[in-house]
Amino acid sequence: AQSVTQLDSQVPVFEEAPVELRCNYSSSVSVYLFWYVQYPNQGLQLLLKYLSGSTLVKGINGFEAEFNKSQTSFHLRKPSVHISDTAEYFCAVSVVGGYKYIFGTGTRLKVLA
Amino acid sequence: DAGVTQSPTHLIKTRGQQVTLRCSPKSGHDTVSWYQQALGQGPQFIFQYYEEEERQRGNFPDGFSGHQFPNYSSELNVNALLLGDSALYLCASSLLGAGETQYFGPGTRLLVL
Repeated sequence: AQSVTQLDSQVPVFEEAPVELRCNYSSSVSVYLFWYVQYPNQGLQLLLKYLSGSTLVKGINGFEAEFNKSQTSFHLRKPSVHISDTAEYFCAVSVVGGYKYIFGTGTRLKVLA
Repeated sequence: DAGVTQSPTHLIKTRGQQVTLRCSPKSGHDTVSWYQQALGQGPQFIFQYYEEEERQRGNFPDGFSGHQFPNYSSELNVNALLLGDSALYLCASSLLGAGETQYFGPGTRLLVL
C-alpha cells in the first residue's frame, strides 16, 4: 500500500521569503507524484507533477519540486512567495499503472505581510 | 472550455436520507473519479468510472455507489447518510491512462444533520 506524509500542517512565512513544503511517500512500487493547491472554497488545482525523467520539476506560479527516490521525498519549493500563495497544498501519489490518487493531509501555507 | 462542473454546490440532509451528487467532466475527458474530503483532511478516493463501469474502488462501504452516463457525466449516490458523511465531495476528470492529470471540480459540500 502507498502512503503520503506531509510533515507540516501549517507553514507561516513572510512575503518575498522562500518556502519549502515537505512531502514524503511510502511505496514498494514506482509512483507518479503530484502537488495540488486548494484555495478557500475551491477545488484542487494542479501545480506540477513528476512522471519520469528529470527529477527537478517546474510548475505554475513559480513553484518547483524535486523528486528524491532515495529519500522517498518530493518537496515543493518557491524562492519568493506572495500573499496570493496563501492556500492549502496537497501532495499526492499514484502507482505507475494505477489510477487513484492518494493524498497527504495537506499543509496550510500562510504568507504574512 | 468549461472545466469540471459539479452540482449542487451545497446540500443539507438528515441522517438516514439518500443523496445524489452530479459531475460533468472537462471537455474531451472520458474518466471520472470521486473523492471525499473531510474537514482538515486530504481527499480520499471513493471510486473511478470509465466506459460506464466502475474501474477501481477505495475503502468505502457499499452505500456509496455511482454511475457514469454515455456522455461521460457521472453521479455519486450515498444511501442512509451518517453524520460522518459530512464532507466536501470532489469530482475529478481525466483521460484514461496512468499518470494522466486529474482535473478537479469545485466540489459539493454536504452537511448531514
